[in-house]
Amino acid sequence: DTAVSQTPKYLVTQMGNDKSIKCEQNLGHDTMYWYKQDSKKFLKIMFSYNNKELIINETVPNRFSPKSPDKAHLNLHINSLELGDSAVYFCASSRSAHSSTDTQYFGPGTRLTVL
Amino acid sequence: KQEVTQIPAALSVPEGENLVLNCSFTDSAIYNLQWFRQDPGKGLTSLLLIQSSQREQTSGRLNASLDKSSGRSTLYIAASQPGDSATYLCAVKTGNQFYFGTGTSLTVIP
Repeated sequence: DTAVSQTPKYLVTQMGNDKSIKCEQNLGHDTMYWYKQDSKKFLKIMFSYNNKELIINETVPNRFSPKSPDKAHLNLHINSLELGDSAVYFCASSRSAHSSTDTQYFGPGTRLTVL
Repeated sequence: KQEVTQIPAALSVPEGENLVLNCSFTDSAIYNLQWFRQDPGKGLTSLLLIQSSQREQTSGRLNASLDKSSGRSTLYIAASQPGDSATYLCAVKTGNQFYFGTGTSLTVIP
């Protein structure tokens, strides 16, 4: 039973298109995250939601818009895709944003390729 | 702003060797430090979590240490096996945020 799942696993699209990536966790966690991993494997946080409220919003283009319909879901919508958006996007969840014992659980990633 | 560095970037060892991976961070005001493993094409799996008040954690052949004042952590892997080949990332939690290092790519040669 997958703890953190993402769809799709692979996404190939043309520049200028709009696409969405979905994430779901069945761990009962309060906090969810989106990370971007670039070609050099550097993992950088993009957004974090705690109980459906945005708590981290790093400097990312406003073409990226997260949406959390409920605590178990955090989707990422990307408008007007650019070549530089090509990367692997990881969703993660943790029990609480404010705990020192908090472990993050990661999804399998979505490899986005913009042509 | 927190910066996390991992050395070396890549490491290749023969099977059976003990090895040490290093992680350093610039801001010692952390809640915890975690070591993760990432296999090619996969997500991250948490290996060990050390709270800021702790000095080390052990799990099987893995031992992670934390020296918060000097901004350093090490991951010790004993008796390495080919199945240990992966990228190892450390991450520190500062405030609400997790900051990741760039990883060490480990290859254990049979």
